[in-house]
Formats: sequence, C-alpha cells, structure tokens
Amino acid sequence: NAGVTQTPKFRILKIGQSMTLQCAQDMNHNYMYWYRQDPGMGLKLIYYSVGAGITDKGEVPNGYNVSRSTTEDFPLRLELAAPSQTSVYFCASTTPGWGLNTEAFFGQGTRLTVV
Amino acid sequence: GESVGLHLPTLSVQEGDNSIINCAYSNSASDYFIWYKQESGKGPQFIIDIRSNMDKRQGQRVTVLLNKTVKHLSLQIAATQPGDSAVYFCADPGGSNYKLTFGKGTLLTVNP
Repeated sequence: NAGVTQTPKFRILKIGQSMTLQCAQDMNHNYMYWYRQDPGMGLKLIYYSVGAGITDKGEVPNGYNVSRSTTEDFPLRLELAAPSQTSVYFCASTTPGWGLNTEAFFGQGTRLTVV
Repeated sequence: GESVGLHLPTLSVQEGDNSIINCAYSNSASDYFIWYKQESGKGPQFIIDIRSNMDKRQGQRVTVLLNKTVKHLSLQIAATQPGDSAVYFCADPGGSNYKLTFGKGTLLTVNP
C-alpha cells in the first residue's frame, strides 16, 4: 500500500516557468488537500477537493490551479512561478466525515525552489 | 478568519520528562481537533484526536486535553524520548467545510 505519493521530490524552477506537482493516493479517499509549508511555519491550505470533479480554494490559492478528474489523482499546477512560491508542498488525503481516528495521510513533500 | 494557533514556538525538555504543548483555537463551532507530529524532512503524521464533546483522550504516552471554555487544547507527552523531537501541530477540519487548517507549530527538542 503506497499511501500518498508525490512527485517530484525536488525541483528548481526559473521565474515565469510552469510546472505540475503530482499527487496520487491508492486508498480510495474522497478528500484530498494541497498545502505549502514555508520555513519555520505551519501548513497553509492551497486547494482541496471532496471528490472527483469538485475542487475549492483554501487559504492561499493565488498562483495555483488544481484539477480532480479521478479519485486517485490531484495535481497542482503553477503557471508562472514566482520566488514567493518557493516552499515545500504537501499533498494529503482522507476519508469523508471527520471523526475519531480519521487520519489524513500526507505525502513526503515536494521541495520547490524558484530562482 | 478562523484559525488555530500555538502559544510557544519552541520547547526544550530533558529525556524522561513530561512535555506539554499548547494550542489555542478561535472557532467556537469547531467539533474536532487533531494533533500531528512532523519529523524533519517528512510529512505530518497523525498522533491523536479529540471531539468537542470530550475533555480528555489518551493514547500511548500521549494525552490530549480540551478546554472549550477558553478554547484551548494541549498535548501531553509522558516520559519524552529523543524520538519525540519534532514539530507538533494542532489542526482543525473546520466542521462541515472540510478545510483542514493548521497552526504554526511547536518545535520540541528532547535533550539526552
């Protein structure tokens, strides 16, 4: 069971370049999330999805786009990379309905540097 | 906006001591809270959770306490070990809107 898989693990982008951060989960989870984590800070929610075809903005959506064509995949797109997007990006997934012992499983992160 | 936050950014303890990490939340409608542990270079991992109709919940060496009156929760780690060194976050799924939001985190350092 792979859990949540993020690719790539590391990436360096030039200002203005575009890229897609991939996230896939094999747990049949409906809810998926994208976060960014700046050094010494907490996780800020970028976008989330409660199922295939449904996405919604989080706390810091500007400069990003997402799609959810399947239950398994939730890619995050950066169209015009800016230095302010230098961060570590985490994808997470969980089952619907928050209750005791409902875990959100996180990927290992993608470390992105924009120069 | 609604948020969760932490009182102390860093905490240093001696191995074997008990650790207490605090968290304040602002959304009085929050129904559920989760503690996560994040080791260096890794994604957060679930530790323990608690519902708003509970005051206390215990796990293996960890206890979460919830005080709804002052909108505060704490994570207590008994007999802290070097492997407990990490950043600890409290998180709140925000009730029905599914947004799992995190506080800034507390860096726990365990000294041998």
